[in-house]
Amino acid sequence: QKEVEQNSGPLSVPEGAIASLNCTYSDRVSQSFFWYRQYSGKSPELIMSIYSNGDKEDGRFTAQLNKASQYVSLLIRDSQPSDSATYLCAVGILGGYNKLIFGAGTRLAVHP
Amino acid sequence: GAVVSQHPSRVICKSGTSVKIECRSLDFQATTMFWYRQFPKQSLMLMATSNEGSKATYEQGVEKDKFLINHASLTLSTLTVTSAHPEDSSFYICSTTGIGNTIYFGEGSWLTVV
Repeated sequence: QKEVEQNSGPLSVPEGAIASLNCTYSDRVSQSFFWYRQYSGKSPELIMSIYSNGDKEDGRFTAQLNKASQYVSLLIRDSQPSDSATYLCAVGILGGYNKLIFGAGTRLAVHP
Repeated sequence: GAVVSQHPSRVICKSGTSVKIECRSLDFQATTMFWYRQFPKQSLMLMATSNEGSKATYEQGVEKDKFLINHASLTLSTLTVTSAHPEDSSFYICSTTGIGNTIYFGEGSWLTVV
């Protein structure tokens, strides 16, 4: 059974701080990894995708992937109250044509 | 604008009735559509994969006779919840792969069974 694990939170950070979200996955052959943001009752929005070991930066967001440790993280710099949402880690199933396994999500609360 | 149009966005139905949810790809062909379900405060759980012109494949534990999936054209996939019960109340959402291998999600459908 392929699994994706996340701390459910809530993770509470002050405005302007760095929020660090973590995710581990069980399928060692996984090749594609995604971070989605989901507001309550809404469709997930893609924040970052990452496929290679190391860091990938996009604006205030940095995704980090370590395939040896089966670990992927998302850093949000200069956190804003509007970043408050649930962040879903998703892992693509190899050969699954973009079929995704999602973690349970981490609730992030950024307080002013 | 949306590249995958999903409707209805919200539906309330009586227990025992059936409800159809549609996902339509706009401006591209979707040979494969994934259907997910999300209960409150839980993650998206993959229910099934629909393939244009062939039978859908269901994940373990998902009743194929209860959740009927039809993918009759390259732009339309439907999920029908048959004989709905209150425990089927959930957020249902589809996704597919579009241009540039980008994953697109529909807007989601809230189903409430009373």
